[in-house]
Amino acid sequence: EDQVTQSPEALRLQEGESSSLNCSYTVSGLRGLFWYRQDPGKGPEFLFTLYSAGEEKEKERLKATLTKKESFLHITAPKPEDSATYLCAVHPPQTSGSRLTFGEGTQLTVNP
Amino acid sequence: DGGITQSPKYLFRKEGQNVTLSCEQNLNHDAMYWYRQDPGQGLRLIYYSQIVNDFQKGDIAEGYSVSREKKESFPLTVTSAQKNPTAFYLCASRTTGANVLTFGAGSRLTVL
Repeated sequence: EDQVTQSPEALRLQEGESSSLNCSYTVSGLRGLFWYRQDPGKGPEFLFTLYSAGEEKEKERLKATLTKKESFLHITAPKPEDSATYLCAVHPPQTSGSRLTFGEGTQLTVNP
Repeated sequence: DGGITQSPKYLFRKEGQNVTLSCEQNLNHDAMYWYRQDPGQGLRLIYYSQIVNDFQKGDIAEGYSVSREKKESFPLTVTSAQKNPTAFYLCASRTTGANVLTFGAGSRLTVL
């Protein structure tokens, strides 16, 4: 069974304290790995798609990287407005209709 | 602005009642999805539809029903057969050829 595991479950940082979130997966033949940001009581907002090992994407203070078994979301010098839950999802190779498998998320809190 | 509108934002239901959650999109997307989100769990797929008048069960379809009579609309009915319906429900859509999902703001259902 395809699995997606995110760690840590929760992370508390001070403003400016850089760190990384992890997303490990057991899917073979990945058709895409996705990162979303979700604010409390709202729907997820798309951040990045990664397709192959070695690929990197950046957006402001966020950088996503991908290896054959995991992805990292690096947060450089975070600000309080970066506080949110970050979700990782994978698109397995044999599924139809873009059925994504989601991880449980990492809840990030950035204190001023 | 194009997007996905979910209504109502909050809904309270007595046990034994059916309720219908609305999802409307003006993105001209072909595929639409319903996910359920519970605390500490990843998003779980309830139903999805890739074209009008056609839909498929997801991983947790029992106790739910959907229809897709129009491209723009994909309502979800939570029936009395759903044993634990209290959750946050998210509707999403995707255009053909792309794997990125666009989400609505969600509907929170509470069973009293």
